[in-house]
Amino acid sequence: DSGVTQTPKHLITATGQRVTLRCSPRSGDLSVYWYQQSLDQGLQFLIHYYNGEERAKGNILERFSAQQFPDLHSELNLSSLELGDSALYFCASSVSHGPSTDTQYFGPGTRLTVL
Amino acid sequence: AQSVAQPEDQVNVAEGNPLTVKCTYSVSGNPYLFWYVQYPNRGLQFLLKYITGDNLVKGSYGFEAEFNKSQTSFHLKKPSALVSDSALYFCAVRDDKTGTASKLTFGTGTRLQVTL
Repeated sequence: DSGVTQTPKHLITATGQRVTLRCSPRSGDLSVYWYQQSLDQGLQFLIHYYNGEERAKGNILERFSAQQFPDLHSELNLSSLELGDSALYFCASSVSHGPSTDTQYFGPGTRLTVL
Repeated sequence: AQSVAQPEDQVNVAEGNPLTVKCTYSVSGNPYLFWYVQYPNRGLQFLLKYITGDNLVKGSYGFEAEFNKSQTSFHLKKPSALVSDSALYFCAVRDDKTGTASKLTFGTGTRLQVTL
């Protein structure tokens, strides 16, 4: 158990809908990262927050957004869902603001299925 | 740009035999290399990382990895495989020169199958 928690474990929804995925980092970690894992794209970095502020963006669609709250938990919002958004979404956390030597610890993921 | 290649989709090994899972990387600056393992319906578990220093890095569950700068490789190894090691293994790299030091770039993964 990494100490990173994600809810829900599974989410099934329809095209066009909006969902929110939640992540709580390990105790003491200030950085939260979101990744998407799909069969065709593999593991892709989406976005990084440090202590409430956005630090870096990866291949994140405009329909997706995230935020990190004062208690350091983070939410990933996915809107106008399409079939291709079906994937496993991981949250990871690390101690500091993301220097290259930091280890990212991953949560169990949320499996999103869009029908 | 940074990239990682895992040339083998699957590696098969008998229990008790040594195993190697291959990884090569490309970065513009200094490489910081990581191995993660993913069991079915689970998240990624951190195994080990190379930052600097000794080229042989020891990690969890008896795994180790050898950093080779000239060959730009970071192969994962274990002297004696267990059936319970069967899982999906990911190599990842970070590069402090890209401007997005947050980002871990992952390989496509190698499925390790250990049989009795």
